[in-house]
Amino acid sequence: AQTVTQSQPEMSVQEAETVTLSCTYDTSESDYYLFWYKQPPSRQMILVIRQEAYKQQNATENRFSVNFQKAAKSFSLKISDSQLGDAAMYFCAYRSSPMEYGNKLVFGAGTILRVKS
Amino acid sequence: EAQVTQNPRYLITVTGKKLTVTCSQNMNHEYMSWYRQDPGLGLRQIYYSMNVEVTDKGDVPEGYKVSRKEKRNFPLILESPSPNQTSLYFCASSLRTFGELFFGEGSRLTVL
Repeated sequence: AQTVTQSQPEMSVQEAETVTLSCTYDTSESDYYLFWYKQPPSRQMILVIRQEAYKQQNATENRFSVNFQKAAKSFSLKISDSQLGDAAMYFCAYRSSPMEYGNKLVFGAGTILRVKS
Repeated sequence: EAQVTQNPRYLITVTGKKLTVTCSQNMNHEYMSWYRQDPGLGLRQIYYSMNVEVTDKGDVPEGYKVSRKEKRNFPLILESPSPNQTSLYFCASSLRTFGELFFGEGSRLTVL
């Protein structure tokens, strides 16, 4: 079974600076998707960014980018120019082959990001 | 507005008192699923449904039931709730068995 590990329970960043959240995963599959979700205090689950395993290019969405290292099974999230609104719990998630497991996401334990003004 | 709606958003109940958490989506999605979120464990899938009348267990199905009689609704049933089912529950849906998952706003359940 696939597992996702987020080794940083909490992180802090100064406003306008850059922070990187770590995520590693374990799988024997070659085709899969990886995601980062943001959960603010409202509890809403917001998709931040996704990465297809077959794509070598790292995904980018505005101030959010990933460092995808397939061989190392690492998928870190970099937030540039951090803003107060970035403060939230961040979850890393893995999705296996859809034909076998449907649209099941396997989540890490989450990292709480605090942004200091 | 496209959305996944869960009710109730908050509930405090007692051990053994049957309850149902409803989930409804207005996007004509085929796939629906339930997750529970616990501190230190992230979200874990309870049950999922690939279409009407098609449901299957996720990773933590014990103590839960589901049904999918209509495409838009996917209720989560706790026949005899226990304190270890105290959790934050999310319903999610997607157009097909792949594609972006849309999450509801969560239901905070406390079982005393």
